[in-house]
Amino acid sequence: AQTVTQSQPEMSVQEAETVTLSCTYDTSESDYYLFWYKQPPSRQMILVIRQEAYKQQNATENRFSVNFQKAAKSFSLKISDSQLGDAAMYFCAFYYNNNDMRFGAGTRLTVKP
Amino acid sequence: DVKVTQSSRYLVKRTGEKVFLECVQDMDHENMFWYRQDPGLGLRLIYFSYDVKMKEKGDIPEGYSVSREKKERFSLILESASTNQTSMYLCASSSDFSGSSYNEQFFGPGTRLTVL
Repeated sequence: AQTVTQSQPEMSVQEAETVTLSCTYDTSESDYYLFWYKQPPSRQMILVIRQEAYKQQNATENRFSVNFQKAAKSFSLKISDSQLGDAAMYFCAFYYNNNDMRFGAGTRLTVKP
Repeated sequence: DVKVTQSSRYLVKRTGEKVFLECVQDMDHENMFWYRQDPGLGLRLIYFSYDVKMKEKGDIPEGYSVSREKKERFSLILESASTNQTSMYLCASSSDFSGSSYNEQFFGPGTRLTVL
């Protein structure tokens, strides 16, 4: 069974600085998808970034980028130039097939002004 | 934009009551999901549906049932609510078709259920 581990329950970053959230996963599959979702306080969960395992190039979305290390089964999220609006719960998720999405326990990110 | 709505943001029920949580999506998505979110545990899948009248158990289906009579609507039912079902419930939907949003799940705002 696929598992997703986020080892940092809480992280904090100074506004305008860079922060990296960690995620590792366990799978025997070779073709899958990885996601980072953001859940702001009292607001809907939204997709931040996705990575297809067959792609070697790391995905980027504006200030958000990932470091995908397939052999190490690692999928970290880097947020550059952190903003107050980045404060949220971040979930790493793994998708293989049959609509089975596995989520990590989440990392609560605080942004200090 | 995909919109997933849930019938209530906050709900308070008594032990033993039958509870209905409703979810509606407006993007003609084939797949719909019910998750439970608890601190330190992330999201755990209760049930999902890949078509009308079809359902599959997730990781924690005990104490829950679901209904999908129409493509856009997916209901979660707590037959006899218990205090250990106090939680945040999230509904999500996704499309089967390939494209930039393939496999992405779109979430509703959540229902915070308290069972007293």
